[in-house]
Amino acid sequence: GEDVEQSLFLSVREGDSSVINCTYTDSSSTYLYWYKQEPGAGLQLLTYIFSNMDMKQDQRLTVLLNKKDKHLSLRIADTQTGDSAIYFCAESINGATNKLIFGTGTLLAVQP
Amino acid sequence: SQTIHQWPATLVQPVGSPLSLECTVEGTSNPNLYWYRQAAGRGLQLLFYSVGIGQISSEVPQNLSASRPQDRQFILSSKKLLLSDSGFYLCAWKPLTIRSHNEQFFGPGTRLTVL
Repeated sequence: GEDVEQSLFLSVREGDSSVINCTYTDSSSTYLYWYKQEPGAGLQLLTYIFSNMDMKQDQRLTVLLNKKDKHLSLRIADTQTGDSAIYFCAESINGATNKLIFGTGTLLAVQP
Repeated sequence: SQTIHQWPATLVQPVGSPLSLECTVEGTSNPNLYWYRQAAGRGLQLLFYSVGIGQISSEVPQNLSASRPQDRQFILSSKKLLLSDSGFYLCAWKPLTIRSHNEQFFGPGTRLTVL
């Protein structure tokens, strides 16, 4: 089945690290994505990871993938107030549809 | 470079009225196109996708419909809006490539309120 789950809310202090977690169910997913949505805006791709990788780092962002447990996480180092947004993970379903299945989104609130 | 446009940005419509939301993509050819709805406090729900002109697949049965009259134009419509149609509608596109990478690029969205 296709189901992606995230916790709804995370609050951190400015300068701390944030860790947003995601679990998915489709073991055939080839790519997993993290998107950021600022208030009233569309989604912006932050980063992605191929399913044969365990970790990917991109500046302040670190993505960890545990394929055995179907668990994906996004770590944001030195979190800033500008990081406040909703973060969506998504898994890629290959085939004719080329669909992305999105999680429910995690609202990250950064306290100054 | 590629850009995606949606209009209108916001819309307030009475129950029972028709709807037409438009999405256009520039700078690419033969994209896959997608319509999503984001209800308040909820995640993204895929409504329709299209792999070519005139080719529409529906993911969720509802009173909405979609059309793709041109390669880079995707329209979301309804003959009679319901209160439950309120939400944030997002259009997205995916490049046609031979890779299995399914990265999608999103438009700015349309906020629809049905009263």
